[in-house]
Amino acid sequence: DTAVSQTPKYLVTQMGNDKSIKCEQNLGHDTMYWYKQDSKKFLKIMFSYNNKELIINETVPNRFSPKSPDKAHLNLHINSLELGDSAVYFCASSLGTGHQPQHFGDGTRLSIL
Amino acid sequence: QKEVEQDPGPLSVPEGAIVSLNCTYSNSAFQYFMWYRQYSRKGPELLMYTYSSGNKEDGRFTAQVDKSSKYISLFIRDSQPSDSATYLCAIPVRPGGGADGLTFGKGTHLIIQP
Repeated sequence: DTAVSQTPKYLVTQMGNDKSIKCEQNLGHDTMYWYKQDSKKFLKIMFSYNNKELIINETVPNRFSPKSPDKAHLNLHINSLELGDSAVYFCASSLGTGHQPQHFGDGTRLSIL
Repeated sequence: QKEVEQDPGPLSVPEGAIVSLNCTYSNSAFQYFMWYRQYSRKGPELLMYTYSSGNKEDGRFTAQVDKSSKYISLFIRDSQPSDSATYLCAIPVRPGGGADGLTFGKGTHLIIQP
């Protein structure tokens, strides 16, 4: 069973479009995260949610809007896609707040044409 | 200065060698340190999780934290070709923070030659 799963795995779309990425975890965790890994492989936190509440937003443009319908799901909607949004987006989860180990999905590869 | 610095490599060693991977961090208040392994086209996988100074061993892997010099290390004994991957060190975004996520080093690309 996949612990943290993301859909789709690949997303190719045109500049200006709106797209969503979905994440689900079956670990019983209550904190979920979105990270962005750029072309140089640098992995950077974007958002974290605890019990469906936004905890952190690390200077991400407001074109990015996360939504957590329940503790097991965290989706990422991106409006007006730009070339610089091309990256791999990783979802992660952990148990509780504090410095608990995080478990990652295998990423969504977003390419903007 | 970045919160955590890591040499990106690549680091190429023969099979069976002892590998040493290192990171430095800037804020002495950090207490939790993690090492992740990332294979190509996969998500990061947690390898080691340590608190404060000292060593932690798990099989062929040993994580070491030296808080006096703000230096963290990962040692791999009897390295195998399957260890070829990118290794990322990570610290919490804030030392005293809650569910803030992690700050990662840039990752060291390790190649184990058969």
